[in-house]
Amino acid sequence: QQQVKQSPQSLIVQKGGISIINCAYENTAFDYFPWYQQFPGKGPALLIAIRPDVSEKKEGRFTISFNKSAKQFSLHIMDSQPGDSATYFCAALLSSNTGKLIFGQGTTLQVKP
Amino acid sequence: DTGVSQNPRHKITKRGQNVTFRCDPISEHNRLYWYRQTLGQGPEFLTYFQNEAQLEKSRLLSDRFSAERPKGSFSTLEIQRTEQGDSAMYLCASSRLRDRGLNTEAFFGQGTRLTVV
Repeated sequence: QQQVKQSPQSLIVQKGGISIINCAYENTAFDYFPWYQQFPGKGPALLIAIRPDVSEKKEGRFTISFNKSAKQFSLHIMDSQPGDSATYFCAALLSSNTGKLIFGQGTTLQVKP
Repeated sequence: DTGVSQNPRHKITKRGQNVTFRCDPISEHNRLYWYRQTLGQGPEFLTYFQNEAQLEKSRLLSDRFSAERPKGSFSTLEIQRTEQGDSAMYLCASSRLRDRGLNTEAFFGQGTRLTVV
């Protein structure tokens, strides 16, 4: 019940295309869903996050879509750029609890020029 | 620099040796977390502190692992009698617990890459 499942494991997109990464969770008590971006040899960096009381959040080229009834959320990267090539992790946490993050398995994105 | 700082960035050690890593969180953050990340996987929770109190430890944290956060500031993670399976990236993160019991976002350090040979 603590798992967060992420797909696909890897993704190749042409420059200018849309990258879509999906996550699903089981624990309905999760109340905060961040996405992290990680470059090789670096720590994860917070990209964008959403709470389950909204269905969509957009920041620049990055959008989170949230479906509470299906217990799924996804990251959309519009106009994907080669600089977006990185590993992306979805996560979930109980913000009123320990703040412990449960991470998905990660998606390695390659944006081809 | 006001981010989370971890030292050293890389550590190569022989099996059986002890190693210690340090994490300096963002100064106003009262919560500090340690995670472990192996190649191709997402970070896995190890332990967390609220101020100086260690409030939760994962089952991943064997008896060879110990973490401290004296005075609620920096934290250290020590691994005794290292094994090859301990080779991983060790990540530290910090966040702030707000008055209503809500967490602010967690910010991660660059990590310490441990290689046990």
